[in-house]
Amino acid sequence: DTGVSQDPRHKITKRGQNVTFRCDPISEHNRLYWYRQTLGQGPEFLTYFQNEAQLEKSRLLSDRFSAERPKGSFSTLEIQRTEQGDSAMYLCASSGQGYEQYFGPGTRLTVT
Amino acid sequence: AQSVTQPDIHITVSEGASLELRCNYSYGATPYLFWYVQSPGQGLQLLLKYFSGDTLVQGIKGFEAEFKRSQSSFNLRKPSVHWSDAAEYFCAVVFMEYGNKLVFGAGTILRVKS
Repeated sequence: DTGVSQDPRHKITKRGQNVTFRCDPISEHNRLYWYRQTLGQGPEFLTYFQNEAQLEKSRLLSDRFSAERPKGSFSTLEIQRTEQGDSAMYLCASSGQGYEQYFGPGTRLTVT
Repeated sequence: AQSVTQPDIHITVSEGASLELRCNYSYGATPYLFWYVQSPGQGLQLLLKYFSGDTLVQGIKGFEAEFKRSQSSFNLRKPSVHWSDAAEYFCAVVFMEYGNKLVFGAGTILRVKS
């Protein structure tokens, strides 16, 4: 059990650029979640997959955000035309049959 | 709307003293309750969870939490704090009527003074 991994750990980009983050869940987990955390706040839910199906999306997830989990394993989160307000820590979590979620180390995005 | 409240933004305790971090949640018929800890720049580590049964649950690192349905609370406790416990603590709830996502409180930053 290697835990949830995320890549990259840090990303600095200029406003207007596109960025993509990757999450590899714990191998036997079929549920995968993305959250966003800004400074001084708790994480906020973005979206959720069960296997390859995206079952829920938050209203926080604007049209510039898209997430995929093509084979029910790893997932990607893409942000198009980044804005300064997108600067945050993006956290991925996975869960198996239970409801406890295990988090990766996060990807810190800075938009300049 | 579903919400989780952690009333204390910062708490400072002396090493060796006891600790209690408060957490309240909005009404939910079937809440599943969690405490996570986050060190600076890191992801979240699960400390403990409550689904059903005994309302006093034990977690890792000597932490425990008590679920009180009548007060919609799930407070985290530790009898004797160590300097390494300094971190930010998040209470989180799954409101089963609204899916599997975690709803987090804003966090409590714990400082430990020697």
